[in-house]
Amino acid sequence: AQSVAQPEDQVNVAEGNPLTVKCTYSVSGNPYLFWYVQYPNRGLQFLLKYITGDNLVKGSYGFEAEFNKSQTSFHLKKPSALVSDSALYFCAVRTGGDTGRRALTFGSGTRLQVQP
Amino acid sequence: EPEVTQTPSHQVTQMGQEVILRCVPISNHLYFYWYRQILGQKVEFLVSFYNNEISEKSEIFDDQFSVERPDGSNFTLKIRSTKLEDSAMYFCASSEALTNEQFFGPGTRLTVL
Repeated sequence: AQSVAQPEDQVNVAEGNPLTVKCTYSVSGNPYLFWYVQYPNRGLQFLLKYITGDNLVKGSYGFEAEFNKSQTSFHLKKPSALVSDSALYFCAVRTGGDTGRRALTFGSGTRLQVQP
Repeated sequence: EPEVTQTPSHQVTQMGQEVILRCVPISNHLYFYWYRQILGQKVEFLVSFYNNEISEKSEIFDDQFSVERPDGSNFTLKIRSTKLEDSAMYFCASSEALTNEQFFGPGTRLTVL
């Protein structure tokens, strides 16, 4: 079975400060990892993914995430937060490879609140 | 930029009625998915569809649910006899290939009274 844990329901950070949203995962085999963002009354918007290669992946809007295999983590980071980054962030995982489960398993979400 | 679209944005129905939720995936994508999110809960996988057949489904996707790609553009989710607990936001998604990210539509909010 595959699972994702986002240990923080909410993260508060001041504008201009660095932010981290935590994610740990459990999956059989190699993981494919994703971060999505959800703004109010909107769908899920893709931010970035890790499939293979460099452990540090860069995505949209200045976000990046670091894949750490030994800690089974994929934390989302941004060097300088903006008020407009305030939203609900979801980490997701699926088993890698063509024969793995195609379904994404999502974490429970972390609400990011950036204060001006 | 191409995007996944869904109609209607909000559907209200009586318990026991049939509903059809519609999605237009991104045109060159080959893999299609339905997920749902009950208010305040996680996004949950329902079903994936490839090459005109279901490739994977969750335990939520019971006999009351069905999917269809009736033409080259639409992808539909039918709930035959809705229950109160089917009230949720339903998201359609598509991807170009298995290794690619899934692109999500804006969702259809289904309210069962």
